[in-house]
Amino acid sequence: DAGVIQSPRHEVTEMGQEVTLRCKPISGHDYLFWYRQTMMRGLELLIYFNNNVPIDDSGMPEDRFSAKMPNASFSTLKIQPSEPRDSAVYFCASGSASGASDTQYFGPGTRLTVL
Amino acid sequence: RKEVEQDPGPFNVPEGATVAFNCTYSNSASQSFFWYRQDCRKEPKLLMSVYSSGNEDGRFTAQLNRASQYISLLIRDSKLSDSATYLCVVNAPSGNTGKLIFGQGTTLQVKP
Repeated sequence: DAGVIQSPRHEVTEMGQEVTLRCKPISGHDYLFWYRQTMMRGLELLIYFNNNVPIDDSGMPEDRFSAKMPNASFSTLKIQPSEPRDSAVYFCASGSASGASDTQYFGPGTRLTVL
Repeated sequence: RKEVEQDPGPFNVPEGATVAFNCTYSNSASQSFFWYRQDCRKEPKLLMSVYSSGNEDGRFTAQLNRASQYISLLIRDSKLSDSATYLCVVNAPSGNTGKLIFGQGTTLQVKP
């Protein structure tokens, strides 16, 4: 299994630009999670999906952030417009209700820098 | 109060030492507990689940105390390769199936 795939691995953009992060979960997993990690705040859950349906988006910082999961093998996290304080590593993770209880498998992350 | 609290460290220990990390969680309804390991500039990876009876995996031993809402991780005979950040993780209470809550992590540096 290829594991969780994220793209791009690195993104450098200027303030005000739109940023789209992509994730392909492990095949067969029915949960998908988007996290953000910074030195100051640690690992924060932004939003998660179950069977492509958003379940909890209470961690999404503001309206500039949006996430979609159009099918079981693809999800996007979009920031529009981006701001310097959005600079962080964004992880996607997937898991299965039928697998080991609540275990999540993380992708390699996207390192976002907003100038 | 944070939902999952850990001492951030860093813990600096010599090779071969035994080191223990502790973690407390706030919600008594949590049912699943884990330790994840995160290497510098890498993603978190599951190290081990934590069971009520305690469990061991080689040099690693995890313990759970539900009454005190306390989780521990013991590493014996530390290796240089154990240097990483160790994240204490608990599941969210019922109604949020699948959601995990991560602690800030404890950094371990094993020195030669």
